[in-house]
Amino acid sequence: NAGVMQNPRHLVRRRGQEARLRCSPMKGHSHVYWYRQLPEEGLKFMVYLQKENIIDESGMPKERFSAEFPKEGPSILRIQQVVRGDSAAYFCASSPGATGAGEKLFFGSGTQLSVL
Amino acid sequence: QKEVEQNSGPLSVPEGAIASPNCTYSDRGSQSFFWYRQYSGKSPELIMFIYSNGDKEDGRFTAQLNKASQYVSLLIRDSQPSDSATYLCAVIYSSASKIIFGSGTRLSIRP
Repeated sequence: NAGVMQNPRHLVRRRGQEARLRCSPMKGHSHVYWYRQLPEEGLKFMVYLQKENIIDESGMPKERFSAEFPKEGPSILRIQQVVRGDSAAYFCASSPGATGAGEKLFFGSGTQLSVL
Repeated sequence: QKEVEQNSGPLSVPEGAIASPNCTYSDRGSQSFFWYRQYSGKSPELIMFIYSNGDKEDGRFTAQLNKASQYVSLLIRDSQPSDSATYLCAVIYSSASKIIFGSGTRLSIRP
């Protein structure tokens, strides 16, 4: 039973390029969460999605960032026109139900984004 | 005021002693509380969760919750060098659909 799968593990982009980060939740999980982590800091919530729906995007920057979780395929976090400040580890987590019901999160290995 | 506040540490204890990272949270209506462990360069791993006031024990770990004080702690008994990691406190707020994390406490176990 595979865990949460994220790819790529490492992504290098030049300023102004686009970054696409992918996340496949655990089997049977329909809730996906994206978090960003800077060095020596905690996890900052970005967005919470269910299949074809964005439930909570209160942590997403207003510009350049978007997320989707289509009916088929992985969840995608897209960062357009990347800047150096976007360099961070991006973690995806999934749960079988809504966290409001006490469901626990299971994390992927993360994608380390480096912007040159 | 931060939503979930933790001392960043490092918290240094000798091997075999009790280590106790802790956190406070600001939303009095919160119902669900979690402790995650994160080794350097790795993803967070769930080690304990607690929903009710009091203590919950699992092996060498005990989670403690005091809702009146809005305080959560994690007791690690018989600390081992392999326990050296960052411990992240996480809270589900009553009005939110997301888990809010503290900034983490770095724990170092001295051999």
